[in-house]
Amino acid sequence: DAGVTQSPTHLIKTRGQHVTLRCSPISGHKSVSWYQQVLGQGPQFIFQYYEKEERGRGNFPDRFSARQFPNYSSELNVNALLLGDSALYLCASSPGPGVTSGRNYEQYFGPGTRLTVT
Amino acid sequence: LAKTTQPISMDSYEGQEVNITCSHNNIATNDYITWYQQFPSQGPRFIIQGYKTKVTNEVASLFIPADRKSSTLSLPRVSLSDTAVYYCLARDDKIIFGKGTRLHILP
Repeated sequence: DAGVTQSPTHLIKTRGQHVTLRCSPISGHKSVSWYQQVLGQGPQFIFQYYEKEERGRGNFPDRFSARQFPNYSSELNVNALLLGDSALYLCASSPGPGVTSGRNYEQYFGPGTRLTVT
Repeated sequence: LAKTTQPISMDSYEGQEVNITCSHNNIATNDYITWYQQFPSQGPRFIIQGYKTKVTNEVASLFIPADRKSSTLSLPRVSLSDTAVYYCLARDDKIIFGKGTRLHILP
């Protein structure tokens, strides 16, 4: 079975532009979470979706938005890009609700999308 | 918040057993403790999860004392390929990875 896939692998954008990152979860997984990881830091939680509904949101500005589609794939959108948005964006899938269900905490991460904002 | 605290870095030698301790003083009654491993330029990989006492799988063991305010990840007979960042997580409303422990295995 394929693992979590993300596209694109790398991306270079200019300040002020917007970007859309895509994620396909493991087959059968209904939960997708997004994380931002800057160099030298641990992943920071952005969003979690389960069954197409937002179940959790981290401390990120409204420039960040996401959605989950009927096939459980997901998009992360970032508007008005800033230099500080340069990071590795990780997507993780899990079989259950994830964030709010303690036991279903095991997440499977994709390889990430490396975003560079110039 | 179920914030976790772990050492910033550790060094060990091949063939040794490595123990990484994490404190989570405010862990809630229903929370599990989960450990992830991350190699450079890759997403984190689930290692082990537990609630209390001891859990063991093919990769590691996890020791959790009765008060559950800390946990210890034990990696038996480490090799150079175990050099990575290890994250301890306790459930929270928001998933907090922290900075993790950078484990460096020396030959």
